[in-house]
Amino acid sequence: KQEVTQIPAALSVPEGENLVLNCSFTDSAIYNLQWFRQDPGKGLTSLLLIQSSQREQTSGRLNASLDKSSGRSTLYIAASQPGDSATYLCAVRGQNFVFGPGTRLSVLP
Amino acid sequence: KAGVTQTPRYLIKTRGQQVTLSCSPISGHRSVSWYQQTPGQGLQFLFEYFSETQRNKGNFPGRFSGRQFSNSRSEMNVSTLELGDSALYLCASSLGGDQYEQYFGPGTRLTVT
Repeated sequence: KQEVTQIPAALSVPEGENLVLNCSFTDSAIYNLQWFRQDPGKGLTSLLLIQSSQREQTSGRLNASLDKSSGRSTLYIAASQPGDSATYLCAVRGQNFVFGPGTRLSVLP
Repeated sequence: KAGVTQTPRYLIKTRGQQVTLSCSPISGHRSVSWYQQTPGQGLQFLFEYFSETQRNKGNFPGRFSGRQFSNSRSEMNVSTLELGDSALYLCASSLGGDQYEQYFGPGTRLTVT
């Protein structure tokens, strides 16, 4: 059974810092991994999708990497801004979709 | 292109009743997945439909069911509601197939009293 964990559970940083969020999964038999952000009480916004054959994806200030053999993905956020404050979730697509518990990020002005 | 829409946005029901939630996917998307989100359990996969067929199912009791119509719109039904069914129910659509990105709707907030 696939299990997904995310560390840290919460993170508070001053504006302008670069930061890394981590996602680990136990079963490497996945099709892809997707990163999302969720604002309080809202739905999920897709950030990046990495296929199992890819190593990384970039979108603006975001860069996500995938190491399928070790069951790890990282989301790198450059030059963080207060508007980046949200909960970040990773999800792996194997037989089913399994989400991690999320990392709650606060970027302080 | 319009995003994923869910109706209703908020719902209050009494224990023992049943409820039906609706999801309209992005135009051209053939796959719809449903999730339950609670503070204690996080986001949990309910089921996925593709071209009117249930493709995958999560670990939820039979009270939770769904269907998909020929226009890809999907409904989710929960019968004999329990207090623990109070949650944010999210649906997501994708083009279909295992490699495509999921796009989520705003969710339906269900409160069971």
